[in-house]
Amino acid sequence: DTEVTQTPKHLVMGMTNKKSLKCEQHMGHRAMYWYKQKAKKPPELMFVYSYEKLSINESVPSRFSPECPNSSLLNLHLHALQPEDSALYLCASSQDPGTGVGANVLTFGAGSRLTVL
Amino acid sequence: AQSVTQLDSQVPVFEEAPVELRCNYSSSVSVYLFWYVQYPNQGLQLLLKYLSGSTLVKSINGFEAEFNKSQTSFHLRKPSVHISDTAEYFCAVTGNDYKLSFGAGTTVTVRA
Repeated sequence: DTEVTQTPKHLVMGMTNKKSLKCEQHMGHRAMYWYKQKAKKPPELMFVYSYEKLSINESVPSRFSPECPNSSLLNLHLHALQPEDSALYLCASSQDPGTGVGANVLTFGAGSRLTVL
Repeated sequence: AQSVTQLDSQVPVFEEAPVELRCNYSSSVSVYLFWYVQYPNQGLQLLLKYLSGSTLVKSINGFEAEFNKSQTSFHLRKPSVHISDTAEYFCAVTGNDYKLSFGAGTTVTVRA
């Protein structure tokens, strides 16, 4: 299995809603990432988990709350979002960078397209 | 820290014509270089990677890229494009850490 699976593919939510994005991989990767991508722009790193611990938070607003329940799963909990948070949210995974050359090559999921009304 | 410059934001090209997408990077450490492709309404797919060894890397669908350390470049080429190559292409660079720096992207539009 060489895939990263993201659900849902599309999500529409109001500014007062609470929702979650889910990501799953079964490649044995120990690093998992959330990226945000606006239209016609490159992805922007939000969070990195390494060995199920939060390793990097790129100063993301607290209305985004990541969670890594185990080595295969990564969630992004959403609460009180703003319309400008509408974007494609990409999950990715890799081996831990410290384990060898090319270990940090990322495999991306297909993304969850979020629309905040 | 690393950074990437993609010199062309849009590249229109006719079917069966060659295409070159230019990518330059800056880094103070050894780097790994990548090209990712993003088809409309999809995620990113790894197209090519340079980690070490041969400076010319090739994909299964006819793309190739050459790592040039002296010119700090990693240009992407394909000798004959298809309509299905219409997509956004991102060049990216990383050291041996978690952060991947992307270029701004190049939109390739292939016309019949």
